[in-house]
Amino acid sequence: DAMVIQNPRYQVTQFGKPVTLSCSQTLNHNVMYWYQQKSSQAPKLLFHYYDKDFNNEADTPDNFQSRRPNTSFCFLDIRSPGLGDAAMYLCATSRDPSADTQYFGPGTRLTVL
Amino acid sequence: KQEVTQIPAALSVPEGENLVLNCSFTDSAIYNLQWFRQDPGKGLTSLLLIQSSQREQTSGRLNASLDKSSGRSTLYIAASQPGDSATYLCAVTLYNQGGKLIFGQGTELSVKP
Repeated sequence: DAMVIQNPRYQVTQFGKPVTLSCSQTLNHNVMYWYQQKSSQAPKLLFHYYDKDFNNEADTPDNFQSRRPNTSFCFLDIRSPGLGDAAMYLCATSRDPSADTQYFGPGTRLTVL
Repeated sequence: KQEVTQIPAALSVPEGENLVLNCSFTDSAIYNLQWFRQDPGKGLTSLLLIQSSQREQTSGRLNASLDKSSGRSTLYIAASQPGDSATYLCAVTLYNQGGKLIFGQGTELSVKP
């Protein structure tokens, strides 16, 4: 019954070692979002895809990239993780960009050593 | 710049009590407002979505109201239960920003048996 799936749930990486987080959805939604949530802070949008159109937030570091090879999957690539990138990464989907509820996955907790 | 504030940051109540969580936002030009629940170390679960043209939404023991002109929303929880213990986040969606959610910091609720 899981609708938005994130893998892995926990990821440990070393400083500077590239890492990829995965999100998949069974809802056939057009929009997929990636949020970063640091400890005790509110989630912050990094970027989103509307179909194949990529939309980057102005303050998202260049270190963060994303790919959406098809409707169901979206990936978050962190090219050179720093200690400050340790956070919970949340994937969300919605049917359309404005009026619809966003459905969140369980998140991936990233630890950078 | 839109800012979302939630008061109080933490709340502890005995089981059975009715309670109100508050959310305020600085820019009334919102598309909608959502209330989410987040359990420790987990993703977000959407509780209620109120469109900008609506005044309130209800689901079970939850009732959310929206007063756009004053920039306020409240989440009312009736007959609280220990299972309601979680962090509650409100978030607004702005026009023409691709569905970007701007979150408050959350209210951490603890319901004591």
